[in-house]
Amino acid sequence: DSGVTQTPKHLITATGQRVTLRCSPRSGDLSVYWYQQSLDQGLQFLIQYYNGEERAKGNILERFSAQQFPDLHSELNLSSLELGDSALYFCASSVDQRPYEQYFGPGTRLTVT
Amino acid sequence: AQSVTQLDSQVPVFEEAPVELRCNYSSSVSVYLFWYVQYPNQGLQLLLKYLSGSTLVKGINGFEAEFNKSQTSFHLRKPSVHISDTAEYFCAVLLIYNQGGKLIFGQGTELSVKP
Repeated sequence: DSGVTQTPKHLITATGQRVTLRCSPRSGDLSVYWYQQSLDQGLQFLIQYYNGEERAKGNILERFSAQQFPDLHSELNLSSLELGDSALYFCASSVDQRPYEQYFGPGTRLTVT
Repeated sequence: AQSVTQLDSQVPVFEEAPVELRCNYSSSVSVYLFWYVQYPNQGLQLLLKYLSGSTLVKGINGFEAEFNKSQTSFHLRKPSVHISDTAEYFCAVLLIYNQGGKLIFGQGTELSVKP
């Protein structure tokens, strides 16, 4: 158990819908990172927040957005869902601004039908 | 641009045999390298990392990796594998931003240990 929690574990929804994925980092970690893992794209970094501020951005679609709240938990919002958004979404956390040692949550499996 | 290439998508090996999972990177700046393992239906777990210092890095579960700057490689090795090592292994390079950073992952190598 890494100490990073993600909810829900599984999510099944229809195209065009909007979902919110939630992540709680390890106690004491200030950085949260979001990744998408799919069969065709592999593991892709989406976005990083550090203490509530966006710090790094990857190939995140405009339909996706994220935020980190004062209690340091983070949410990833995915809207206007398409079939291709079906993937495993991981959250990770680290103490520092840089992911020298990053701890991953168990992931949320999103299925868009 | 920084990138990572894992040269083998699948590596089958018998129990107690040695294994090497290959990783090459390209980076124009300081290099920080990582190996992560993903067991079925789980998140990623850090095996080992190279940030600086000794080029031979020891990690958890008996794994080690050697940073080779001239060959831009960071291959992962274990002298004797167990059935429980069956998993997907990811090599990653850290790209540092001004006030943050991100990991760029390779495509993964599926290690299958057979009895």
